[in-house]
Amino acid sequence: NAGVTQTPKFQVLKTGQSMTLQCAQDMNHNSMYWYRQDPGMGLRLIYYSASEGTTDKGEVPNGYNVSRLNKREFSLRLESAAPSQTSVYFCASSERRSNQPQHFGDGTRLSIL
Amino acid sequence: QKEVEQDPGPLSVPEGAIVSLNCTYSNSAFQYFMWYRQYSRKGPELLMYTYSSGNKEDGRFTAQVDKSSKYISLFIRDSQPSDSATYLCAMRRGETNFNKFYFGSGTKLNVKP
Repeated sequence: NAGVTQTPKFQVLKTGQSMTLQCAQDMNHNSMYWYRQDPGMGLRLIYYSASEGTTDKGEVPNGYNVSRLNKREFSLRLESAAPSQTSVYFCASSERRSNQPQHFGDGTRLSIL
Repeated sequence: QKEVEQDPGPLSVPEGAIVSLNCTYSNSAFQYFMWYRQYSRKGPELLMYTYSSGNKEDGRFTAQVDKSSKYISLFIRDSQPSDSATYLCAMRRGETNFNKFYFGSGTKLNVKP
């Protein structure tokens, strides 16, 4: 039961470098999400995709782009990494119905020097 | 003011104790309520999912929702060292904004052997 799979698990970048975080889910969910988690601030939504072919900004989208490659895959790209983007990034998925919860991956720990 | 408030803890209890974890919220439109458990260096794992007011029990865990007070609780009976984790509450509205989940910042629980 893979659920939501994120790669890589860890990454260290230098300021200004670019990187794409990958996420794939095998639960046939329509909706997918990217969050960042920082100490004391909880989970903050970066972008989400309600269904294949659509993406929308969340609470903290600046400095990020996303691609919903197909129903299974949703990637997050940092074009020019900044130290403020050091965080743990979580991908989640859910059915696009009001009575369904989200399921999370195990995260990507990203450090930007 | 955050829409969902959660005491960050840490909460330290002896093995076998009954644990009570709580969240308060401000938006009366929330109808679906979730509790997630997050172990260190892992993603949030769905524990309990409830709709509207009332109680839901699953093994040693009981989720309680009091919509009149805008207060939700998670009770853990016979707590075990393996319950040591951070517990996140989450909630969402009913028939609209399917993709908007509101999270507490988490309560860290330590169960001492």
